[in-house]
Amino acid sequence: AQTVTQSQPEMSVQEAETVTLSCTYDTSESDYYLFWYKQPPSRQMILVIRQEAYKQQNATENRFSVNFQKAAKSFSLKISDSQLGDAAMYFCAYRRGGSQGNLIFGKGTKLSVKP
Amino acid sequence: GAVVSQHPSWVICKSGTSVKIECRSLDFQATTMFWYRQFPKQSLMLMATSNEGSKATYEQGVEKDKFLINHASLTLSTLTVTSAHPEDSSFYICSALPLSSYNEQFFGPGTRLTVL
Repeated sequence: AQTVTQSQPEMSVQEAETVTLSCTYDTSESDYYLFWYKQPPSRQMILVIRQEAYKQQNATENRFSVNFQKAAKSFSLKISDSQLGDAAMYFCAYRRGGSQGNLIFGKGTKLSVKP
Repeated sequence: GAVVSQHPSWVICKSGTSVKIECRSLDFQATTMFWYRQFPKQSLMLMATSNEGSKATYEQGVEKDKFLINHASLTLSTLTVTSAHPEDSSFYICSALPLSSYNEQFFGPGTRLTVL
């Protein structure tokens, strides 16, 4: 069975600084997708970034980028120039490729941004 | 963009009553919708996968007779919590997978259920 592990229950970053959230996963599949979702206090799940496993290039979305290490099964999220609005729960998620599979979530990391 | 709505956003009910939660994809069609449950300060746990026109697939440990799922159309799935008890109090979130793309699920805003 696939598992997703986020080892940092809480993280804190100073506004305008950079922070990296860790995520590791376990799977025997070769085709899959990895995601980072943000859940602010409103609890609406917001997709931050997506990575296809077959792509070697790390995904980037503005201030958000990932470090995807397929062999190590690691998928960390880097937030640059942190803003107060980045404060939220961040969930790493896995989905098997080639099907309409469900998401498997990690336990989440609560990110606080200090002004 | 793709929008998913949930109704109601918050419901309080008495123990023993049933509650229905609707999940609608507003601007796209979805053959598959997912129902998640989230306890305070915890992650999302998949309860069931809802497929249009067929029976839902429930995760291990989820009582299908208690959590009734109906996916009657390509834009609507409903979750009915039958004979609700205080331990059913939780945050329920649905997501929908568009027909046009299997790469991304779109989430509803969630429903907070409180059972007294």
